[in-house]
Amino acid sequence: QTVVTQEPSFSVSPGGTVTLTCGLSSGSVSTTYSPGWFQQTPGQAPRTLIYSTNTRSSGVPDRFSGSILGNKAALTITGAQADDESDYYCVLYMGSGISVFGGGTKLTVL
Amino acid sequence: QVQLVQSGSELKKPGASVKVSCKASGYTFTSFGVNWVRQAPGQGLEWMGWINTKTGIPTYAQGFTGRFDFSLDTTVSTAHLQISSLKPEDTAVYYCARKVGGIWGLDYWGQGTLVTVSS
Repeated sequence: QTVVTQEPSFSVSPGGTVTLTCGLSSGSVSTTYSPGWFQQTPGQAPRTLIYSTNTRSSGVPDRFSGSILGNKAALTITGAQADDESDYYCVLYMGSGISVFGGGTKLTVL
Repeated sequence: QVQLVQSGSELKKPGASVKVSCKASGYTFTSFGVNWVRQAPGQGLEWMGWINTKTGIPTYAQGFTGRFDFSLDTTVSTAHLQISSLKPEDTAVYYCARKVGGIWGLDYWGQGTLVTVSS
């Protein structure tokens, strides 16, 4: 079974830029997988940041952007702020109506 | 504005059943599918499947067949998740999330429903 991979943790300095990635245990991620990205803080429901590779969800600031980098999907956060400290999850569409989440990345801003 | 409002927390004994509801408002319910996502305590998000609100046809992820059932009541714009023969490992927060129209993706989320299974 294909596993969706994410960095377990990452850190960024306030004001800095960070790129989180979302890959496959076997194969490359392309726009066909319609990557999505979500932000979750403890005790809260996830919030959609990006869907369909690079479409920002309603109300999401343009500091958050999605792309394909090499063989992975990527979420880039520019001008990192303290309240960006969260867990970030990606999801990939595997076809036949099936999606799979990655294990999540814990982002620390310090 | 688009809202998905879920039913309240549930405490159930092993072997019982539970039904979680997700009431939609602010849009045409049958124009957007509903996904279900599980999050066990301290764990990541797990995609359970989705239901096409136009046809009523559900799709289940591997590991969520048999005891899990997605259904709809379109008259009140509500999707339901029923879990039967509950096990302690079903203890989790269950989220509904709207499928983006026309393409594959999730946009709006419910607030989550905590289901606790304990004797």
